Amino acid sequence: GESVGLHLPTLSVQEGDNSIINCAYSNSASDYFIWYKQESGKGPQFIIDIRSNMDKRQGQRVTVLLNKTVKHLSLQIAATQPGDSAVYFCAENIGGGSYIPTFGRGTSLIVHP
Amino acid sequence: DAGVTQSPTHLIKTRGQQVTLRCSPKSGHDTVSWYQQALGQGPQFIFQYYEEEERQRGNFPDRFSGHQFPNYSSELNVNALLLGDSALYLCASSLGLGQPQHFGDGTRLSIL
Repeated sequence: GESVGLHLPTLSVQEGDNSIINCAYSNSASDYFIWYKQESGKGPQFIIDIRSNMDKRQGQRVTVLLNKTVKHLSLQIAATQPGDSAVYFCAENIGGGSYIPTFGRGTSLIVHP
Repeated sequence: DAGVTQSPTHLIKTRGQQVTLRCSPKSGHDTVSWYQQALGQGPQFIFQYYEEEERQRGNFPDRFSGHQFPNYSSELNVNALLLGDSALYLCASSLGLGQPQHFGDGTRLSIL
């Protein structure tokens, strides 16, 4: 859910568990969605993307699900590892030839060994 | 293959001063975008440069300006600094408009 001030939504999991990070996007005209991982002191790193004509896409240990009806994205991480600890952002892009992702607020994932 | 590099990594300024941040895009990339990331927030788009021209701009005042050089590197300039300009400034590059962006690790700007 939403947090106030500097506190990000946080998900704590045990190593080896599966993680699910959720995101609600705002613009029904968005046609391209991206998940980024941002570790402390680093810039955002591309994880996986999905276009609006798909509802599921799989990568290595990650799966993104898109529900356009309720404007919802989720990122599933299988067998979560301590190295997965980071802030995860979903971003939406309206397209039309440009690539200017609009970022959500982010979710902090903490993986306990 | 060098990724996106930004300089300096950290910077401290006082209110009213001016600052210039620099970015070298990933090798082969010709498009540079700048973002501001406040603590606990997602990055917010400032502007994008392609062929040495500002192509798109986000909701930032004119105090924020930029430049792209013939070698595709870019500068972000901020005038009349305010306390609220304290943030991580991220540069991202891509091969052309409409392509996924690769981010640098940012410049942490603190305003006293």
